[in-house]
Amino acid sequence: ELKVEQNPLFLSMQEGKNYTIYCNYSTTSDRLYWYRQDPGKSLESLFVLLSNGAVKQEGRLMASLDTKARLSTLHITAAVHDLSATYFCAVDSNYQLIWGAGTKLIIKP
Amino acid sequence: DSGVTQTPKHLITATGQRVTLRCSPRSGDLSVYWYQQSLDQGLQFLIQYYNGEERAKGNILERFSAQQFPDLHSELNLSSLELGDSALYFCASSDTSGNEQFFGPGTRLTVL
Repeated sequence: ELKVEQNPLFLSMQEGKNYTIYCNYSTTSDRLYWYRQDPGKSLESLFVLLSNGAVKQEGRLMASLDTKARLSTLHITAAVHDLSATYFCAVDSNYQLIWGAGTKLIIKP
Repeated sequence: DSGVTQTPKHLITATGQRVTLRCSPRSGDLSVYWYQQSLDQGLQFLIQYYNGEERAKGNILERFSAQQFPDLHSELNLSSLELGDSALYFCASSDTSGNEQFFGPGTRLTVL
């Protein structure tokens, strides 16, 4: 059974700092996703990582995938308050997404 | 706006009742997925349909059922509702590649 672990589950940081969220998964998969969710809202697709070594960047967020290590990272550079949200990673397993528990990110001015 | 629509936005009902949640996928998408998000269980995949046929099944209770109609909209039926069924229910859709799922706004179900 595929398991997806995210850490940390909660992160409070100051604006301007850098940090990384980690996503580990237990069995082979070649598709990994990062989503953002604001309180009470839907899930917004951030990144789709489809191959080993994939790296994607959008603004202050960068995601990477290492399928051999079964690890993806979401790196936040020079955080700003607007990035406060819960971030989920999800791994594709035979047409279903298996989700991490989410990382609640609070960025203080 | 992802292009996926869900109705209703909110639903409040009593234990033992039955409800139907509706989802319309993005134009052109053949796949529809249903997910449940609750505080204690997190996000869980329930079921997927592709062009009217069930393709994958996750942690969906026997009291729950779904279908996808010829016009590609989907309905999730929840019966004999329990307090623990209170959750956000999301629908997502994808194209034939399945490389990215786009989520609807969700239906918040409260069972009293």
